Amino acid sequence: SQTIHQWPATLVQPVGSPLSLECTVEGTSNPNLYWYRQAAGRGLQLLFYSVGIGQISSEVPQNLSASRPQDRQFILSSKKLLLSDSGFYLCAWTTSPTLSYEQYFGPGTRLTVT
Amino acid sequence: KNQVEQSPQSLIILEGKNCTLQCNYTVSPFSNLRWYKQDTGRGPVSLTIMTFSENTKSNGRYTATLDADTKQSSLHITASQLSDSASYICVVRGGGSQGNLIFGKGTKLSVKP
Repeated sequence: SQTIHQWPATLVQPVGSPLSLECTVEGTSNPNLYWYRQAAGRGLQLLFYSVGIGQISSEVPQNLSASRPQDRQFILSSKKLLLSDSGFYLCAWTTSPTLSYEQYFGPGTRLTVT
Repeated sequence: KNQVEQSPQSLIILEGKNCTLQCNYTVSPFSNLRWYKQDTGRGPVSLTIMTFSENTKSNGRYTATLDADTKQSSLHITASQLSDSASYICVVRGGGSQGNLIFGKGTKLSVKP
């Protein structure tokens, strides 16, 4: 069966520090991968999605970036965190080439920027 | 503008009672609608998915309805349990091969003993 992992589970970082969140998927090949952010009192916001190694699409301009160095690994990064980057970050995957089919979400990373 | 509005924002009910959550959307064209359950500090988990032609779909004690004409959906929870305490998120997918997912802000349900 397929599983999706995210780490760390929680993170507290000062403003201006770098960020690296990792997401890995097991049990499937060539998944489509997604990064979402869920801010307090707001809905899920799609940040990035990837349909293959090295292929990244950005949905929202910001100081975050994403990379996909391996088929089942998706990384969210920032060179300098802002207070507004605080939130709950979710990675998701699907086998569909579009957003049309069900997405399976990881456990999430709670990021607090102080 | 494509939007998904959920109501109420939060809800408190007693264990064993039923409740209904609402989702109104303005997404057009429409492809499908999903309801997710998200436990605190966890990722969302799918409960149901409904396409244009489906009016009702059940998953255990959860029953979702869809009225594509009025662009409304509801999620009915029967005989609530403490474990039903969570946020319930309505997600609508737009039409087309690259139809985007539009997420509602969710309804936070608290089931009290």
